[in-house]
Amino acid sequence: QVQLLQSGAEVKKPGASVKVSCKVSGYSLSKLSMHWVRQGPGGRLEWLAGHDPEDGETISSQKFQDRISLTEDRATNTAYMELTSLRSEDTAVYFCATIPMWWGQGTLVSVSS
Amino acid sequence: EIVLTQSPGILSVSPGERATLSCRASQSVKTNLAWYQQKPGRAPRVLFYGASTRATGVQPTFSASGSATEFTLTISSLQSEDFAVYYCQQYNDWPYTFGQGTKLEI
Repeated sequence: QVQLLQSGAEVKKPGASVKVSCKVSGYSLSKLSMHWVRQGPGGRLEWLAGHDPEDGETISSQKFQDRISLTEDRATNTAYMELTSLRSEDTAVYFCATIPMWWGQGTLVSVSS
Repeated sequence: EIVLTQSPGILSVSPGERATLSCRASQSVKTNLAWYQQKPGRAPRVLFYGASTRATGVQPTFSASGSATEFTLTISSLQSEDFAVYYCQQYNDWPYTFGQGTKLEI
């Protein structure tokens, strides 16, 4: 049974960065294509970035390409998403997901001064 | 980017009735489309991928069909636990995109 367990809620000030972790159990992260999706207060789901299964390269939405980075620690089977230069509009629940199959439980990131 | 338009936005139905949800893509996504169910405070749960392949554990009352730009999710006989928000998502082209969701309510 594959499970994705995400880190806890974060509160950040505008301009700060946040790093969310996603620990995979039941499967090797090296064989997965991990993606990150967020859901704002209005409920809309928005894809941020992910790994291209063809070549393993990171692909990101143009909207976030200057602010987002994805990393992995194969030793701990953990994926990370870091978003920089946070603004209030980044307040959302962030999910890791091996689209379409397995999803983490979500991490609430709140950005407020 | 590919825009997915779901209709209707809200669907009011009664338990035991049939519900049909639509997802239209602005250009062909072949069959690289998934349907999700989401309940409050929970992560999306995949129902179908490849447009019509039922995910493990999904009740046979759910069915999905379509290809290219027109897709349908059907729930043949609604049960109380089926009332939720349903999203479609394409994974044919970057960036991956989601529809705006259909809320199924009593």
